[in-house]
Amino acid sequence: QVQLVQSGAEVKKPGASVKVSCKTSGDAYTNFYFHWVRQAPGQGLQWMGKINPSGRSTTYAETFQGRVTMTRESSTSSLSMELSGLTSEDTAMYYCARERDVFSSSSRLAYWGQGTLVTVSS
Amino acid sequence: AIQLTQSPSSLSVSVGDRVTITCRASQDIRRALAWFQQKPGGPPSLLIYDASRLEGWVPSRFSGSGSGTDFTLTISSLQPEDFATYFCQQMDSYPLTFGGGTKVEIK
Repeated sequence: QVQLVQSGAEVKKPGASVKVSCKTSGDAYTNFYFHWVRQAPGQGLQWMGKINPSGRSTTYAETFQGRVTMTRESSTSSLSMELSGLTSEDTAMYYCARERDVFSSSSRLAYWGQGTLVTVSS
Repeated sequence: AIQLTQSPSSLSVSVGDRVTITCRASQDIRRALAWFQQKPGGPPSLLIYDASRLEGWVPSRFSGSGSGTDFTLTISSLQPEDFATYFCQQMDSYPLTFGGGTKVEIK
């Protein structure tokens, strides 16, 4: 059973940064690509980017270029997504998601975390 | 970026009904399309990938078809647990993009 467990809800002020983490077991972590997707309240899904198994390569959506940083920490089988320059439009549920197959970057997002709600409010 | 247009945005149906949801891509994506189911308060769950391949947990009443720019998700006989929102996602190129969603509600 693959489980992705995300960090808890955050409330941030405009202009601040937020860091969301996602943790899984070692054998569900190594050699897999991970993605981040967000969903504003009552809205659709928006892909933010992905990180490769080594953590040395990332691909970000142009919308978030310069504001997002995705990293992974193999010692804890975890990954993080940091978003800076927050505005009210960044209020959303943020999800980590894992590819179905090892070493695959097919965009088959088979496993998802439970989500982390980030609220941006003054 | 590839745009995905889903229709309808919502539909009211009864248990046992046949449900068809369409997803149209703004350019040819071959068969690189996935479908997700999302229930309130939960993350999306992958139902179908590569346009027609079912994930292992998905009941056979779900099916997907299409290629190029036009795709369909069909539920042959809607069950109570199928009331949810469904999204399509193109797997062809980055940035990954999603359709706007179809909410399937109880009539």
